[in-house]
Amino acid sequence: EPEVTQTPSHQVTQMGQEVILRCVPISNHLYFYWYRQILGQKVEFLVSFYNNEISEKSEIFDDQFSVERPDGSNFTLKIRSTKLEDSAMYFCASKEERSYNEQFFGPGTRLTVL
Amino acid sequence: AQSVSQHNHHVILSEAASLELGCNYSYGGTVNLFWYVQYPGQHLQLLLKYFSGDPLVKGIKGFEAEFIKSKFSFNLRKPSVQWSDTAEYFCAVRGGGSQGNLIFGKGTKLSVKP
Repeated sequence: EPEVTQTPSHQVTQMGQEVILRCVPISNHLYFYWYRQILGQKVEFLVSFYNNEISEKSEIFDDQFSVERPDGSNFTLKIRSTKLEDSAMYFCASKEERSYNEQFFGPGTRLTVL
Repeated sequence: AQSVSQHNHHVILSEAASLELGCNYSYGGTVNLFWYVQYPGQHLQLLLKYFSGDPLVKGIKGFEAEFIKSKFSFNLRKPSVQWSDTAEYFCAVRGGGSQGNLIFGKGTKLSVKP
């Protein structure tokens, strides 16, 4: 069964450093999403991406964040200058075109900012 | 703004006990409702979803949920839990007709004692 994959599974970085989290969505999916979950808190929406552009973003997704689909398979989330409060589990998700389809989630990347 | 409340943070049950996890949402319009499950060390998986029609929705692994519009609720139920149901359960809502993001509740951790 096709699935969303994410790398790395765990990333440790120093405050102020740039990180890139990678996702490979399911191949025929057209909608892509990033969510995060700070330890002990709820899963929060960050951004959605369709047709090579951001379609929605939350207030969390400020200028420090960016997303890119550099080729036909990868979908990346970049945090330009990490802060301690960026430490969280980051989930990528993808969805087929039709609105009645579910979002399929990846296993997540645990980001730890020291 | 849309929001989702899950009232139980941690539920502990013995095998064969019945389960009901509460979920309430706030959104005035048409909604799509979801329950996701996250088994230890695994990614979020869809248990069931409601878009329209019969408000009693049956999902995988014997789970069901009932959409009660007047109560803004979408509670998850299972008549007899198993040890393998130990996981975290997330209720989520999406504005009807939207291709967009999911709004998640904080999650309920279910521990089933063998």
